[in-house]
Formats: sequence, C-alpha cells, structure tokens
Amino acid sequence: QKEVEQDPGPLSVPEGAIVSLNCTYSNSAFQYFMWYRQYSRKGPELLMYTYSSGNKEDGRFTAQVDKSSKYISLFIRDSQPSDSATYLCAMSEASGTYKYIFGTGTRLKVLA
Amino acid sequence: EAGVAQSPRYKIIEKRQSVAFWCNPISGHATLYWYQQILGQGPKLLIQFQNNGVVDDSQLPKDRFSAERLKGVDSTLKIQPAKLEDSAVYLCASTQGAGVVGYTFGSGTRLTVV
Repeated sequence: QKEVEQDPGPLSVPEGAIVSLNCTYSNSAFQYFMWYRQYSRKGPELLMYTYSSGNKEDGRFTAQVDKSSKYISLFIRDSQPSDSATYLCAMSEASGTYKYIFGTGTRLKVLA
Repeated sequence: EAGVAQSPRYKIIEKRQSVAFWCNPISGHATLYWYQQILGQGPKLLIQFQNNGVVDDSQLPKDRFSAERLKGVDSTLKIQPAKLEDSAVYLCASTQGAGVVGYTFGSGTRLTVV
C-alpha cells in the first residue's frame, strides 16, 4: 500500500463548477497536509497547507483534513479555466526540513 | 526574490551516457532537495542536503546517481550511466528550514533517455 493515494483523473468540469480533489494516506504520523498546483512544464507551487485536522480557506480554495479517516480534500469554488493544472497533495510528519510524501497528482481541466 | 534556478530545461541522451543537472536555490535557503518526477507520478525524493551535508539519500540509486552541494549553495545531480527508466523530470527545491512549511520548486529538467 502506498503511503499516499490520489486519483490521477483526468477530471473535466465546466467553468464555474465546484471541484473536489482528494487524497488518502496510511501514515498516522503525518501532521502537515499540503496542496501543490503544477502547470504543464512547470515545477509544483504551494497552494495552501493545513496543520493537523480541520479546514482552511483561501479565496476560492478550501482544504479539509480528517485525520480519523486519513482523508484530505481540496475544494475549488467557481472554477476557472486558469485552474486547469495537476494538483498534488503532499504530507509531512513535521514542518521545516522534513521530507514530503507526494500523491500522484490529479489532472484537472476546467472547460470554458 | 529570485526563484530556484535549474538548467538545462531539457536534455535528450542515449542510454549508458552520462548527464548532469544544475540547481541554484533561493538565496539563504540552507536545505536543498532533488526530486524525480516520472510522467504520471508524484515527485519522489532522491536526496536532501542541509548546507553541504547529506541528510537523506536513502532513495538515491547510488550505483548510477550522485549529487553534491559544494559550499552549501549550488548543487549538481549526475547520472552515469543512464537507463531508459531514468526518463523523468528532475526537480530541485529549497527551503529556509525550521518552522517553514512548503518547499519552493524550480521548473525542473526534463530528461529523455533513448
């Protein structure tokens, strides 16, 4: 079993739709949960992160963590064509220099 | 703030040849990482440096891969000899360290081994 599982998609939605992206994990020691966005031929960029359980909102993006279920989600409201990218979840046992374990990424396409 | 710089952007080599990638992290970032991202997969850590010392190289195929970070700034990752399965994007990332969440990645070097 992989430490982090993520549905690779691709996921196609119409502009304005609510998008739900998810990851599951097996390591209960993970404390930091991150979402990266990766445009084609670019490196991943950090969108947002959550420490432990709970929700975090940043504009149109909401990250949720359910540690009891070992399940994390990223919701995108009012999706835009510019949101078309691959979304990677990443997890770590601590902040700072601890290594991150990445999911495979979900490819999202928002249709205009 | 300048980002993480990597070169070259693209490289095509034949199997059994050697290749080297270069990375210049963000100024002041003591920790540097090399990740391998195979098409359709998430990045996988190859090696982590703290200044010029190796912190974690447990997933580096040491029979063919080597990396160094002289003077605790720039880093070079080398593959010799390359195999077809080494075709991937090699990403360099850096972070300030303690208390910081999230690395900053470079745009990567796309390696194709034919």
